[in-house]
Amino acid sequence: DGGITQSPKYLFRKEGQNVTLSCEQNLNHDAMYWYRQDPGQGLRLIYYSQIVNDFQKGDIAEGYSVSREKKESFPLTVTSAQKNPTAFYLCASSMTLNTEAFFGQGTRLTVV
Amino acid sequence: GEDVEQSLFLSVREGDSSVINCTYTDSSSTYLYWYKQEPGAGLQLLTYIFSNMDMKQDQRLTVLLNKKDKHLSLRIADTQTGDSAIYFCAESMRQAGTALIFGKGTTLSVSS
Repeated sequence: DGGITQSPKYLFRKEGQNVTLSCEQNLNHDAMYWYRQDPGQGLRLIYYSQIVNDFQKGDIAEGYSVSREKKESFPLTVTSAQKNPTAFYLCASSMTLNTEAFFGQGTRLTVV
Repeated sequence: GEDVEQSLFLSVREGDSSVINCTYTDSSSTYLYWYKQEPGAGLQLLTYIFSNMDMKQDQRLTVLLNKKDKHLSLRIADTQTGDSAIYFCAESMRQAGTALIFGKGTTLSVSS
């Protein structure tokens, strides 16, 4: 089955801890993205990557970091510097940048 | 600005038609997309329209594009309770190096 997989579906962390969200795709897509979704805010772009070993900041990159060492994988680290980390995080991929994106099922992060 | 605008809520009765509206920003956008998000899940690509088209029909879905007014609409015929979800429109900017721009989403509520 081709697709994009996010894990885990639910994640709980204590305030002040870094946490890494996983995103893997087997669609052979070059571009990958991380979005954050809050109620009433729609989707906000955190980081995106056009190709392996390259990534760019989106609209709300502060407090987040990413890596793109493999084409299939684009993990997102939520650092302790992120002021309000509790949210629903969505990963997506597309054949190339700016083409239709396919989404994972999301990870709901709760920081207590 | 670079905002894609959508009304936030729409409520219809089962069997009626639903029309979800969107205004976008870039008159040179190449593709415009409609995504559906069910509760707690990722976004599912519903349909898309190329910018040189006025209309596209796919079973119960009709997409209308008015380039002059930069207005996009999604009509769902014979709306069912299973159509209750958040619907996002997104534009693909012609400018290189940008990800899709999403609206904030329209929550469709279908009552029986």
